[in-house]
Amino acid sequence: EIVLTQSPGTLSLSPGERATLSCRASQSVSSSYLAWYQQKPGQAPRLLIYGASSRATGIPDRFSGSGSGTDFTLTISRLEPEDFAVYYCQQYGSSPSIAFGQGTRLEIK
Amino acid sequence: QVQLVESGGGLVKPGGSLRLSCAASGFTFSDYYMSWIRQAPGKGLEWVSYISSSGSTIYYADSVKGRFTISRDNAKNSLYLQMNSLRAEDTAVYYCARRIRNRNYYGMDVWGQGTTVTVSS
Repeated sequence: EIVLTQSPGTLSLSPGERATLSCRASQSVSSSYLAWYQQKPGQAPRLLIYGASSRATGIPDRFSGSGSGTDFTLTISRLEPEDFAVYYCQQYGSSPSIAFGQGTRLEIK
Repeated sequence: QVQLVESGGGLVKPGGSLRLSCAASGFTFSDYYMSWIRQAPGKGLEWVSYISSSGSTIYYADSVKGRFTISRDNAKNSLYLQMNSLRAEDTAVYYCARRIRNRNYYGMDVWGQGTTVTVSS
């Protein structure tokens, strides 16, 4: 079973700053099967990135994903007020195993 | 527009049963793999179950295997989750979600608003 560990648990930044969120897998995962989601309070998650680096439809280009193997990163280049939320990485593996990371809370400093 | 709407949640006693439904609209439901995902109060996301477009391939998380059954009716554009032998730890918001159509990748691009299941005596 693959475990995804996200860091940091909470990230405090100001609008306009750059955010870097990490997702580390306990074993190598296929980049094609690594996704990132954003969730705001009281809302369903929203797909941001699939295939580790492809933006989903309608996602602004300030969101970017990168990484391979066991280390993946979600970067938000310039934070907008609406970007403060919880972010989850997710992987799809054989069996299948579908796992989420525990989440990173991005809060306004 | 593309939409998923869950229903069927509620309050149930430990050991009881519930059947969740997810009505799809605005897209060709039979073309898409679907999943159920849950979120316990104040906690993160947990994948529950997954079904292929035809219903021929089904997977469950270990935490629900043998108690929950996923199914779909493509003629009715509906996804279901039969939940038996419910436990307090099954208390959560349950979301249905659509897998992106390109199966070379994984991601869930459409989500319902969720339905709340509370297991308590």
